[in-house]
Amino acid sequence: NAGVMQNPRHLVRRRGQEARLRCSPVKGHSHVYWYRQLPEEGLKFMVYLQKENIIDESGMPKERFSAEFPKEGPSILRIQQVVRGDSAAYFCASSRNPGQGNTEAFFGQGTRLTVV
Amino acid sequence: AQSVTQLGSHVSVSEGALVLLRCNYSSSVPPYLFWYVQYPNQGLQLLLKYTSAATLVKGINGFEAEFKKSETSFHLTKPSAHMSDAAEYFCAVSDGGGKLIFGQGTELSVKP
Repeated sequence: NAGVMQNPRHLVRRRGQEARLRCSPVKGHSHVYWYRQLPEEGLKFMVYLQKENIIDESGMPKERFSAEFPKEGPSILRIQQVVRGDSAAYFCASSRNPGQGNTEAFFGQGTRLTVV
Repeated sequence: AQSVTQLGSHVSVSEGALVLLRCNYSSSVPPYLFWYVQYPNQGLQLLLKYTSAATLVKGINGFEAEFKKSETSFHLTKPSAHMSDAAEYFCAVSDGGGKLIFGQGTELSVKP
């Protein structure tokens, strides 16, 4: 009964490269959320996806960031042309359909991105 | 719109002492409220949640929180701190739609 699996746990990229962060939700969960935690700060919501759909992307930076959750496979958070300010921990969470009163989200252990 | 304010970015208690971590929320709709704990270099683990049932919520590891609508508060308490409680604690609010709005976090230190 695996929880939310994120990989890689640590990722180092040079400025200008692309970063791909993967998230496999809890089995049976079709809702995925991405959060970013900057050093010394709390978690900030980025995007909420359901299978093949983006439900809420109000926290996503307008440029360079994109997310998907395909019908098959993990959810991917993609950061193009990374800059030093993108260095952070990125957490994925998953849940059942929250509209049915399933209010608990389970979190992965995060991917720590370092841009050098 | 929803928001969360955690009073005190750092709290230090002695082992065996009462733990009190403060959380105030703002919400235009009936809120769902959560406390999560984060150990160094780890993900978040749910301690407890309020979902409009009992106002006093009991969680794991001896923690509990009380929802007070009149004070818009959801403070986290534990009667007796243990060294293993040292971690970062996050309060969060949701409108039930899945997306969580987090406070800034409170780092709890426990002195022997």
